Amino acid sequence: DAGITQSPRHKVTETGTPVTLRCHQTENHRYMYWYRQDPGHGLRLIHYSYGVKDTDKGEVSDGYSVSRSKTEDFLLTLESATSSQTSVYFCATAGTGDYQPQHFGDGTRLSIL
Amino acid sequence: AQTVTQSQPEMSVQEAETVTLSCTYDTSESDYYLFWYKQPPSRQMILVIRQEAYKQQNATENRFSVNFQKAAKSFSLKISDSQLGDAAMYFCAYRRAPGGGSYIPTFGRGTSLIVHP
Repeated sequence: DAGITQSPRHKVTETGTPVTLRCHQTENHRYMYWYRQDPGHGLRLIHYSYGVKDTDKGEVSDGYSVSRSKTEDFLLTLESATSSQTSVYFCATAGTGDYQPQHFGDGTRLSIL
Repeated sequence: AQTVTQSQPEMSVQEAETVTLSCTYDTSESDYYLFWYKQPPSRQMILVIRQEAYKQQNATENRFSVNFQKAAKSFSLKISDSQLGDAAMYFCAYRRAPGGGSYIPTFGRGTSLIVHP
């Protein structure tokens, strides 16, 4: 596999607090992605990165920010967590070659009370 | 924008039988890739099978095969000899070919497969 580690795996926090989720990869993949998964919605893209310090918004980016200061790390920050951001968050990576599928981390279950 | 539609929110199959999960997509591109991912209760996302649009031959991986119909923009997944371990959520995904700009796949909403013993 692509060696993707997400941390933490589970987190419970309160409304209004900032939260940072970390994704670390060991495969030197150029592309990294953050998704959220909710019942009935499948995977929705929050933000993605196409290189160090190069990021862009996905379809559900409001309330989220990202940073990528090194190839291997992609951070997702909820600036002021709300209950609507309770979800399972997945990080994924992809290489630049032809036919490259995404590789996924194991997900972070985030509960905001 | 590309869209991927999985019209079956849930499917069920008896163990050892065959089931087909449907996926349709909308694109104006001629070269692209299609993928099926499996997500068991463990939550891991696992690549099941992939297909390059310019290849006429349908991809096969052991008990998993696809029926790729480019003109109809259809990419169904057939699971033969279903096993209890096949029970999972299955996602269909589309991605443009390299050089076409975006490396952002588009996912369907998923089909939940139930396998009855």
